[in-house]
Amino acid sequence: EDKVVQSPLSLVVHEGDTVTLNCSYEVTNFRSLLWYKQEKKAPTFLFMLTSSGIEKKSGRLSSILDKKELFSILNITATQTGDSAVYLCAVSVAGGTSYGKLTFGQGTILTVHP
Amino acid sequence: KAGVTQTPRYLIKTRGQQVTLSCSPISGHRSVSWYQQTPGQGLQFLFEYFSETQRNKGNFPGRFSGRQFSNSRSEMNVSTLELGDSALYLCASSPGTASLNYGYTFGSGTRLTVV
Repeated sequence: EDKVVQSPLSLVVHEGDTVTLNCSYEVTNFRSLLWYKQEKKAPTFLFMLTSSGIEKKSGRLSSILDKKELFSILNITATQTGDSAVYLCAVSVAGGTSYGKLTFGQGTILTVHP
Repeated sequence: KAGVTQTPRYLIKTRGQQVTLSCSPISGHRSVSWYQQTPGQGLQFLFEYFSETQRNKGNFPGRFSGRQFSNSRSEMNVSTLELGDSALYLCASSPGTASLNYGYTFGSGTRLTVV
């Protein structure tokens, strides 16, 4: 059974801190790893990673994938209160039974205090 | 372009009733996936539809069903509601073509409460 595990489950920091969120996975026939941010309801897309060692960046957020060790990290530098959210890691697999399916981790609840 | 639209936003139903939720994907997207999100289980995959056909199904009982129309809008139905069906139901839209790099855009969800 495909499995995605995130750590830590929750994190409390102060504005300006740097945080690292972790995601490890055990899946058959890996295709891609995705990061989402969920504030109220709709998870919003952050990154999709398919290749090892290539960092993706968007402003203060960055992410990298290690396909050998089966994990990814999401870094947020100079955190702001607006970064407070649940960060979700999800994995998609290739193959006929994979259509439309993402396997999600439990999420990391990030709280940024002023 | 318009995002993914889910209706209704909130719903309260009684045990034993049935409910139908709707999802309109991004224009041009042909794949719609449905997920159930609960505090205990997180986000779990229900099923996926592409061009009016169910291509994939998660591990949910037969009370959970869905369909997709020719305009790619999708509905999911839950019959004989149980208290445990209370959850946020999210749908995700994607082009659905065989590509490594297509992403999934989520709607804001329908919050279902079963009393």
